[in-house]
Amino acid sequence: LAKTTQPISMDSYEGQEVNITCSHNNIATNDYITWYQQFPSQGPRFIIQGYKTKVTNEVASLFIPADRKSSTLSLPRVSLSDTAVYYCLVGDNSGNTPLVFGKGTRLSVIA
Amino acid sequence: EPEVTQTPSHQVTQMGQEVILRCVPISNHLYFYWYRQILGQKVEFLVSFYNNEISEKSEIFDDQFSVERPDGSNFTLKIRSTKLEDSAMYFCASSPPLGQGAEGAEAFFGQGTRLTVV
Repeated sequence: LAKTTQPISMDSYEGQEVNITCSHNNIATNDYITWYQQFPSQGPRFIIQGYKTKVTNEVASLFIPADRKSSTLSLPRVSLSDTAVYYCLVGDNSGNTPLVFGKGTRLSVIA
Repeated sequence: EPEVTQTPSHQVTQMGQEVILRCVPISNHLYFYWYRQILGQKVEFLVSFYNNEISEKSEIFDDQFSVERPDGSNFTLKIRSTKLEDSAMYFCASSPPLGQGAEGAEAFFGQGTRLTVV
């Protein structure tokens, strides 16, 4: 399984755009990049998933360069409620391949 | 929106006792998982289950653990003889049958059961 590396923590003020970058140098051809969010004492929650280029949904954008060895989760105009741990995961979506969580990035949004 | 539900939300048990954690996955999902998260640590994979059998398990999932899908809707995790170090949040998750390489096959997690072994 491709290993991911992301910053341990980040701080941001409310209203700013936050970009969290994840490295996955050994990503395989069939692998997708998926980001999850976790609030304290809650289960991880799916945010966004992509294979290449750019994906956008109502919550975030995901930028993936052509070599796919990294990806950047972009959260526009964060609010205090976006304070959480964000995980970058790589996997083939087969269902048989379990998600492997790293330590994630702890985002703290400050008023 | 469909969701994975887990019961109980909190379970306190004495060391050496058996516990059963229950989960109701999303109804059309075919892959089921258990994860755990010790306080302050990362989410760890325990076991995946597909077609009524274990498809993969981690080294954490030893003989003290077992899973069942007894009635086609519930998915349970049993710990036969709990130890203090089993204290953690246990998350159940399920994902749809979209197959390898398919987009949209993200896993949906329940809110977890906090297990406290005393």
